[in-house]
Amino acid sequence: EVQLVESGGGLVQPGRSMKLSCAASGFTFNNYDMAWVCQAPKKGLEWVATISYDGSSTYYRDSVKGRFTISRDNAKSTLYLQMDSLRSEDTATYYCARLLGIPYYGSYCDYWGQGVMVTVSS
Amino acid sequence: DTVLTQSPALAVSPGERVTISCRASESVSTGMHWYQQKPGQQPKLLIYGASNLESGVPARFSGSGSGTDFTLTIDPVEADDTATYFCQQSWNDPPWTFGGGTKLELK
Repeated sequence: EVQLVESGGGLVQPGRSMKLSCAASGFTFNNYDMAWVCQAPKKGLEWVATISYDGSSTYYRDSVKGRFTISRDNAKSTLYLQMDSLRSEDTATYYCARLLGIPYYGSYCDYWGQGVMVTVSS
Repeated sequence: DTVLTQSPALAVSPGERVTISCRASESVSTGMHWYQQKPGQQPKLLIYGASNLESGVPARFSGSGSGTDFTLTIDPVEADDTATYFCQQSWNDPPWTFGGGTKLELK
């Protein structure tokens, strides 16, 4: 059974840092691209960052470029999101998701973690 | 960025047929996917590649469309289908985008 379990969220002051982790199990982690997707309270979904299966390629949404870093440890089957210089607008639930990419269909998330809440407030 | 537009809310009675639309600001070919999110839960994949049913998803759900106009159909709707439904495109270069979501309520 595929499982994605996020951890590391909580309350953090503006300007500080936080690191999220996502422990994967039930599949061969190093065969899949992965993503972080966020959802602000009562709002829609937004891509945050994606990383290729081997970590060689990453993508970030404009609002987090230079502040967030996505990474992975394939030996530990774990995905990370290092969030620096946090702002109040980063407050959201952050989901870890497994990406599937198929020709003519594009990429989509076939499994999602339960999410972890990050609240940026003084 | 490719903008995806969805109607904010729908209300239907159990047993009816409901269609949820998603319009893209530019062509995404068949790179459109649909998710269901129930309150307090993570999203769940329903449809990928515009019309392909994800394994384990009831056949009451179906998807159609290509280019800029897409539809998610639920027929017949059941009480358990109360949720918000999101479309997502990934045909064009990132940033991939999600629609704003359609909240489906049952009468």
